[in-house]
Amino acid sequence: GAGVSQSPSNKVTEKGKDVELRCDPISGHTALYWYRQSLGQGLEFLIYFQGNSAPDKSGLPSDRFSAERTGGSVSTLTIQRTQQEDSAVYLCASSPGGTAEETQYFGPGTRLLVL
Amino acid sequence: DAKTTQPPSMDCAEGRAANLPCNHSTISGNEYVYWYRQIHSQGPQYIIHGLKNNETNEMASLIITEDRKSSTLILPHATLRDTAVYYCIVREWDSGYSTLTFGKGTMLLVSP
Repeated sequence: GAGVSQSPSNKVTEKGKDVELRCDPISGHTALYWYRQSLGQGLEFLIYFQGNSAPDKSGLPSDRFSAERTGGSVSTLTIQRTQQEDSAVYLCASSPGGTAEETQYFGPGTRLLVL
Repeated sequence: DAKTTQPPSMDCAEGRAANLPCNHSTISGNEYVYWYRQIHSQGPQYIIHGLKNNETNEMASLIITEDRKSSTLILPHATLRDTAVYYCIVREWDSGYSTLTFGKGTMLLVSP
């Protein structure tokens, strides 16, 4: 079946604007992760959703960042009042049930540039 | 994540085997070795994982030393499309989920 998809693939915005990034996980996967990857850096965990449980938001860098997952499927990551340091590739991953031994499958990412 | 050490870059001729080493000397008994790769401008791609036995799938082979302190990812017949950054990760399997932490990885350049 289809893999994880993300949109938009690229986003250029002005400092202070809000942006929304979308993730469509693999069908049937109950776990969904958001990460970001800054230029030349490794992965930084942002937030994790598992089924109907409360999300783990421990990785969100500030209260300007929020995410929701509607109907246990599609997820939206929102960044309010964007700053230049928010420029990065935002990656979404999903796995079947969210347990540690499961493989996470990544989408292609959204490249965000804040001017 | 400082749990793994990889060379920053490697070269390989097309058609030859690419052997990518990884040191994980502090690995604990319930930690698995995972390999992902990231081709330029794409999301990370899962390759293979193992605990202590050697593993093989359609993409690669994973050789883990008996003391589990190091491993080698083998791409048996590298192609130009295998040019990517390869990440070796150790992940603990417990009752909860775990997030992925990538280090700097190895940049593999496959040339004609």
